[in-house]
Amino acid sequence: EPEVTQTPSHQVTQMGQEVILRCVPISNHLYFYWYRQILGQKVEFLVSFYNNEISEKSEIFDDQFSVERPDGSNFTLKIRSTKLEDSAMYFCASSASVLSSYNEQFFGPGTRLTVL
Amino acid sequence: KNQVEQSPQSLIILEGKNCTLQCNYTVSPFSNLRWYKQDTGRGPVSLTIMTFSENTKSNGRYTATLDADTKQSSLHITASQLSDSASYICVVSPLSAGNNRKLIWGLGTSLAVNP
Repeated sequence: EPEVTQTPSHQVTQMGQEVILRCVPISNHLYFYWYRQILGQKVEFLVSFYNNEISEKSEIFDDQFSVERPDGSNFTLKIRSTKLEDSAMYFCASSASVLSSYNEQFFGPGTRLTVL
Repeated sequence: KNQVEQSPQSLIILEGKNCTLQCNYTVSPFSNLRWYKQDTGRGPVSLTIMTFSENTKSNGRYTATLDADTKQSSLHITASQLSDSASYICVVSPLSAGNNRKLIWGLGTSLAVNP
């Protein structure tokens, strides 16, 4: 069964460093998402991406964040200068379409980012 | 403000027993309501998705109900198994210009099934 994959599973970085989180969505999906979950808190929407551009983003997704689909298979989230409060689990998701009433999103296993 | 609240926050039951988890939401209008299962350290996995016009949906031992008038949903788990130990999260998709990109998440109910 096709699944969303994410790498690395755990990333440790120093405050101020840049990190890139990688995701491979399900191959025939067209819509891609990043979410984050700070330990003990709700999952939070960061950004959605379609047709090589951002379609929606939250207040969390400020200028420190960027997304890219560099090669037609990978979908990346870059944090330019990490802060302690960026420590969280980051989930990638993909969906085939947003036009159906269901718009099922399939989630990857997550990348745990720890900023020291 | 669009919110999703769940109860109880945590629950412990014995293997083989049934349980019901509750979800109240203020998202309006909404497109669909989902229940996800999230194992510790893993990504959420969809259990059920219901549109505003659906009242109930089953997936094996999981049955979700939806009352759009009272803005409440429940997830009933029958004959619980040890592998049901996880966080169960209620998620609502707002109806926004005909699209459903953004999801509003509850905090989840942490379920522990003991032998």
